[in-house]
Amino acid sequence: NAGVTQTPKFRVLKTGQSMTLLCAQDMNHEYMYWYRQDPGMGLRLIHYSVGEGTTAKGEVPDGYNVSRLKKQNFLLGLESAAPSQTSVYFCASSYGFGSGTQYFGPGTRLLVL
Amino acid sequence: GIQVEQSPPDLILQEGANSTLRCNFSDSVNNLQWFHQNPWGQLINLFYIPSGTKQNGRLSATTVATERYSLLYISSSQTTDSGVYFCAVDHNQGGKLIFGQGTELSVKP
Repeated sequence: NAGVTQTPKFRVLKTGQSMTLLCAQDMNHEYMYWYRQDPGMGLRLIHYSVGEGTTAKGEVPDGYNVSRLKKQNFLLGLESAAPSQTSVYFCASSYGFGSGTQYFGPGTRLLVL
Repeated sequence: GIQVEQSPPDLILQEGANSTLRCNFSDSVNNLQWFHQNPWGQLINLFYIPSGTKQNGRLSATTVATERYSLLYISSSQTTDSGVYFCAVDHNQGGKLIFGQGTELSVKP
């Protein structure tokens, strides 16, 4: 049981490049989330999903897109990366609505030059 | 939206000392979690505690939902307790957690 995994662990992009971050969970959780963490701050929610085929915006969704084609995977896309998107990205999952623990992945460090 | 405030922002302890971290929130919540972010950046679940008291080894937590605060107690601190402790709450928003700014703890040997 791997829990929540994220790919890649670290990436450097040039401004304007695109990339996709992959999150996978093997706990059969319905809910999945993408957060970003900037230096000295707590995490902020980018997008989330309440089930396969659904997505919704969080606090800071601009510049990102997401897809949840399979229940176990949640993809975060950057179509045209900007230096302001330099951050650490965390994925999380939980059983369902407002209940229970959210389990976090190890994070992806992204540097946009 | 709901505000989450943690105190103190920084804390330095000598190994073996006890400490109390506080989390205040501005509205009712149906989920409250405490996390430890270790120096390598990994987020570790400590407690899911929207109300009541829980204990896990040297750590315990109490949430008084009616007064909108939660406390995390660390007893007999160890150097491995160092890192940032986050409180996060869900204000009936479908599981979306709002994080506090964290308390950075440094335990000296």
